[in-house]
Amino acid sequence: GDSVTQMEGPVTLSEEAFLTINCTYTATGYPSLFWYVQYPGEGLQLLLKATKADDKGSNKGFEATYRKETTSFHLEKGSVQVSDSAVYFCALSDRNQNFNKFYFGSGTKLNVKP
Amino acid sequence: EAQVTQNPRYLITVTGKKLTVTCSQNMNHEYMSWYRQDPGLGLRQIYYSMNVEVTDKGDVPEGYKVSRKEKRNFPLILESPSPNQTSLYFCASSPLGGDADTQYFGPGTRLTVL
Repeated sequence: GDSVTQMEGPVTLSEEAFLTINCTYTATGYPSLFWYVQYPGEGLQLLLKATKADDKGSNKGFEATYRKETTSFHLEKGSVQVSDSAVYFCALSDRNQNFNKFYFGSGTKLNVKP
Repeated sequence: EAQVTQNPRYLITVTGKKLTVTCSQNMNHEYMSWYRQDPGLGLRQIYYSMNVEVTDKGDVPEGYKVSRKEKRNFPLILESPSPNQTSLYFCASSPLGGDADTQYFGPGTRLTVL
């Protein structure tokens, strides 16, 4: 079945450091791919998404490119801030295939130190 | 304000005592879903609904029931809760057309079953 694997955390960085969180997926069709962010005590919020191969999603300085050949959707940011500290989830949906299910990775906690 | 609300936010109960967690959205979304979040496992989909009176199982439906009698509400029912259902639960909704795939999450319900 479909699944998402992302790097384990926590990831601890200093402010202004470069961030990469790896995400790979397994899917039978052509899924949409997402990054969601969860701040302490809150629900998840969509950070960015990509719906087809080679699409790049971007938002708030974060970006990720849908790589079909490597089945990856790695999250990057050039210069992190303390306010970026949160848990990040990679996810996919197979709604393109009309199965209407969503699959999430295990989450990666990011700690950014001043 | 567009939002997904859940009640209660926190619940401590005992094994076998039936409970219902309510979920309501005010965005006229067709699609609604329930997830549980457990450490190291990320979010796993319990049930989802494509529209009124249409529900289907996610990856972990055992021990749960849902109903969709109105478009805005999607309650999660635990008929006989067990300690392994202690978890953080999230409800989410999304439209079917247009911005489909972008889910809007509620604030979460932390359930403890003793």
